[in-house]
Amino acid sequence: GAGVSQSPRYKVAKRGQDVALRCDPISGHVSLFWYQQALGQGPEFLTYFQNEAQLDKSGLPSDRFFAERPEGSVSTLKIQRTQQEDSAVYLCASSLGASGFERSYNEQFFGPGTRLTVL
Amino acid sequence: GNSVTQMEGPVTLSEEAFLTINCTYTATGYPSLFWYVQYPGEGLQLLLKATKADDKGSNKGFEATYRKETTSFHLEKGSVQVSDSAVYFCALRSNDYKLSFGAGTTVTVRA
Repeated sequence: GAGVSQSPRYKVAKRGQDVALRCDPISGHVSLFWYQQALGQGPEFLTYFQNEAQLDKSGLPSDRFFAERPEGSVSTLKIQRTQQEDSAVYLCASSLGASGFERSYNEQFFGPGTRLTVL
Repeated sequence: GNSVTQMEGPVTLSEEAFLTINCTYTATGYPSLFWYVQYPGEGLQLLLKATKADDKGSNKGFEATYRKETTSFHLEKGSVQVSDSAVYFCALRSNDYKLSFGAGTTVTVRA
């Protein structure tokens, strides 16, 4: 596949359940990002990986949110003990370059998102 | 901190009408500015960008000029089509990676 893929596309969870959202970035892309998009809002930054290193997790809203990218490719965003306020679309994006790279390599390509609904 | 404010929607237009979506920003340093588009059922796509003051980004008939003096990056298209119906997001990046988005403007073009 040429683009960023995410799975599942839709997830319904009962309050208190744990969920795991997967992102497959474009092959060879060094940087990977997670964003949260609430209904009617723009995406909000959650976290940033450069290869397997999580360089910025300042946007994670609570310690219930955890992200990993153990081999520097696929990433998983995990939400523990989901709450209704976690309902949103979770977007993954990847870019070719690393932080500090020439700006032309830093265009972020977005996946279709996972729509999470917590009941 | 960084922030982006864009015109609230929804905006409804007839085909061939002129479209303007206002966007202003607050940022430290010298940000890069972007417009992203989200077509129904699809992911965010980069529409155009500008990386320094007075740059004009353009794509698919859309244009936006980076105005540092007014901290603005307004999106314009001279003649819209039904296929331009989408949600448009203004965004900035003031470091190497983190994007800050506006709330989005829904545009509907009627035939």
